[in-house]
Amino acid sequence: NAGVTQTPKFQVLKTGQSMTLQCAQDMNHNSMYWYRQDPGMGLRLIYYSASEGTTDKGEVPNGYNVSRLNKREFSLRLESAAPSQTSVYFCASSEAVAYEQYFGPGTRLTVT
Amino acid sequence: QKEVEQNSGPLSVPEGAIASLNCTYSDRGSQSFFWYRQYSGKSPELIMFIYSNGDKEDGRFTAQLNKASQYVSLLIRDSQPSDSATYLCAVKGQAGTALIFGKGTTLSVSS
Repeated sequence: NAGVTQTPKFQVLKTGQSMTLQCAQDMNHNSMYWYRQDPGMGLRLIYYSASEGTTDKGEVPNGYNVSRLNKREFSLRLESAAPSQTSVYFCASSEAVAYEQYFGPGTRLTVT
Repeated sequence: QKEVEQNSGPLSVPEGAIASLNCTYSDRGSQSFFWYRQYSGKSPELIMFIYSNGDKEDGRFTAQLNKASQYVSLLIRDSQPSDSATYLCAVKGQAGTALIFGKGTTLSVSS
């Protein structure tokens, strides 16, 4: 079992470029999440998907879109990257929203 | 706004001592409580979860929950340098809502 996988591990974008971060889990979990982590700010929830076919905004959704492609996969899209989106992005999954979450290895994104 | 508060630290303890990490939360209806460990440059890793008032022990780790005081703590006995990391407290509030994470406490264990 790979658990939660994320691609890419590192990415550098120029302001205005777009990209999609991919996340997949093989634990048959219903719920999936996207967080960003910045120094001194802790983990901040961007979007989550409680179950296949649903998505909800978290604390910091502006500038991002998500797609729950199927039960396994949950992608995060930056349509027009900004330097303020430089961060480490973590995907996580859980059996349900009430349960413990398991994290992927993260994507380090730099926007210049 | 539901909040989870942790002292940022750093909390410094000598090897072999007990490290005590604390977390308070604002939502009195919170139901589940989680502790994660995050090494520098790595992703958060689940250590323990607790649902009921009292203590829950797992090896060198003990989670303590006091819902009346809205307080959850993590004790690490016989601290080791390998325990040096940031510890994140997470709280599950009302039904249907995602976990809320504190900003974490950095623990440094010196040999």
